Amino acid sequence: DTGVSQDPRHKITKRGQNVTFRCDPISEHNRLYWYRQTLGQGPEFLTYFQNEAQLEKSRLLSDRFSAERPKGSFSTLEIQRTEQGDSAMYLCASSLQGLAGWSSTDTQYFGPGTRLTVL
Amino acid sequence: AQSVAQPEDQVNVAEGNPLTVKCTYSVSGNPYLFWYVQYPNRGLQFLLKYITGDNLVKGSYGFEAEFNKSQTSFHLKKPSALVSDSALYFCAVRDPPDPAGNKLTFGGGTRVLVKP
Repeated sequence: DTGVSQDPRHKITKRGQNVTFRCDPISEHNRLYWYRQTLGQGPEFLTYFQNEAQLEKSRLLSDRFSAERPKGSFSTLEIQRTEQGDSAMYLCASSLQGLAGWSSTDTQYFGPGTRLTVL
Repeated sequence: AQSVAQPEDQVNVAEGNPLTVKCTYSVSGNPYLFWYVQYPNRGLQFLLKYITGDNLVKGSYGFEAEFNKSQTSFHLKKPSALVSDSALYFCAVRDPPDPAGNKLTFGGGTRVLVKP
């Protein structure tokens, strides 16, 4: 399977602990996105990378959240001092952005998500 | 700012009947519109998108969507629903001229239940 993969699929942690999630995008994709989805809601944008550069961050991404994509391949999302309100599904997506601006191939393909439960 | 509305929380339809899932959008320019489907405990699967061109877009699994600029709508349709189409459907928009337009903005989702 050459789709987007995420690890772990499920994470249960206690309030105040730190957690880290990993996303491996489709191999040739240069853009990588993180979204958060709470129960009964649509996904909400958190941040995205073009290669290794983090180009945009949502106001939802508090200073307890940090994301990296050190070599322009996989990405990690870390949440420090978790709170019960952080409980959600964290989705990763990737896309191929053409160099000449908006490309018709720029469809975001999503991974299976990591479900975080903070007790 | 871009936004999407899915006015129906749930749509019930009998197997074999036509299925329509509604979506309206608000953007500052010409939108890029997407439909995704989500099965329980799974990520989102891409169904189809509208970028430009024909207003009727055909996608995966027999789904299609019609872009209507005057009504700012992008309704998802399937002529004959299957029980396996039961899932959560999300409409999403991107607003390319917007500097923050690389992100997708999603609607709240519509749960589709197809009864045998």
